[in-house]
Amino acid sequence: QITLKESGPTLVKPTQTLTLTCTFSGFSLSTSGVGVGWIRQPPGKALEWLALIYWDDDKRYSPSLKSRLTITKDTSKNQVVLTMTNMDPVDTATYYCAHTLIVVVTLDAFDIWGQGTMVTVSS
Amino acid sequence: DIQMTQSPSTLSASVGDRVTITCRASQSISSWLAWYQQKPGKAPKLLIYKASSLESGVPSRFSGSGSGTEFTLTISSLQPDDFATYYCQQYNSYPFTFGPGTKVDIK
Repeated sequence: QITLKESGPTLVKPTQTLTLTCTFSGFSLSTSGVGVGWIRQPPGKALEWLALIYWDDDKRYSPSLKSRLTITKDTSKNQVVLTMTNMDPVDTATYYCAHTLIVVVTLDAFDIWGQGTMVTVSS
Repeated sequence: DIQMTQSPSTLSASVGDRVTITCRASQSISSWLAWYQQKPGKAPKLLIYKASSLESGVPSRFSGSGSGTEFTLTISSLQPDDFATYYCQQYNSYPFTFGPGTKVDIK
């Protein structure tokens, strides 16, 4: 059974750096084709894809946020970490991590999601 | 980036109704489209992938169709558990993009 869980601060100040950790079980990020992505959702708004990392350390970022995002993985700990610099109140959102696959060059949907973690940006 | 639009933004329906939600992509995405259901305070749940493939465990009253730029999600007979917000997402190319959502509420 695949599970993912996000963790990190619930409150950050403007200009600070946010670090979120996705801890997962039921799969390995060293297995060919596996990926973990981050998606966020401001209160009452739509979902926004942020970043994705694959088993081979291929990383993809949202172009609009690329300069502020870094995604890394720790295969031994079954964790994926997302950092977002220069936080602003508009970054207030629930942040989700989710499991996906890639087969050769065929991308896939996010089939399993974590419960999400709410992050508020305020001074 | 590929832009995704959905219509309607809100849909009021009754239990037992047949419900159809439309999703359009700004350029062809072949069949690389997913549909998610989200309830308040919960994470999205994958319903449909590759435009028309039903995710394991999802009731058969949900179906998806379309290819290219126009897609539909149909609920054949709306159940009380189906009142939620539905999002489409393209995964044809990066950056992945989601539609703005369609809220299905009680008439």
